[in-house]
Amino acid sequence: AQSVTQLDSQVPVFEEAPVELRCNYSSSVSVYLFWYVQYPNQGLQLLLKYLSGSTLVKGINGFEAEFNKSQTSFHLRKPSVHISDTAEYFCAVSLMNTGFQKLVFGTGTRLLVSP
Amino acid sequence: GAVVSQHPSRVICKSGTSVKIECRSLDFQATTMFWYRQFPKQSLMLMATSNEGSKATYEQGVEKDKFLINHASLTLSTLTVTSAHPEDSSFYICSARGGQGDLSYEQYFGPGTRLTVT
Repeated sequence: AQSVTQLDSQVPVFEEAPVELRCNYSSSVSVYLFWYVQYPNQGLQLLLKYLSGSTLVKGINGFEAEFNKSQTSFHLRKPSVHISDTAEYFCAVSLMNTGFQKLVFGTGTRLLVSP
Repeated sequence: GAVVSQHPSRVICKSGTSVKIECRSLDFQATTMFWYRQFPKQSLMLMATSNEGSKATYEQGVEKDKFLINHASLTLSTLTVTSAHPEDSSFYICSARGGQGDLSYEQYFGPGTRLTVT
């Protein structure tokens, strides 16, 4: 079965510090990978995606992620966070055996940025 | 571009009544729309996938007679929660897909609808 694991349910960090949000997946078929951000009582906004090509992907708001096939990981990073980055972050995969149609989400990581 | 709206944003209804939630793609044609359910502090669970003009495909465990989905046009899909009960209270989010090339793999999400059944 395919799954997405976000090991950290909550990550507290001080403003201007670096942060890494971890995401691992398991799949026997090729995947596309996504990171979404959700602010309170809102829908999801795409931060970045990996479909193919360079394994280092840059997204919006200064975020980047690196696809590591051997470790089946797609960790999200930001070198210096802002208070406004406080939100819920979801890692998601879409699978080749569904034609990359459906998204399977991880359980989410709440990033808490304090002054 | 790629804006998806949902209406209403919040709805409170009495147990036993039905509620309709609309999902619209405002600036693109959505060949496929998805409906998700999100419980507090939890992830999104896919309920069903709908393609314009055809019946929705429901995920395992989702009651198709309770959650009626209609995708009548390339810009509108509706989710009707029939005979709602308190356990149906949740945050319902739709997404739409309709780009070309690499964009066809992206889903654009609506802002969600919070349903409370009393």
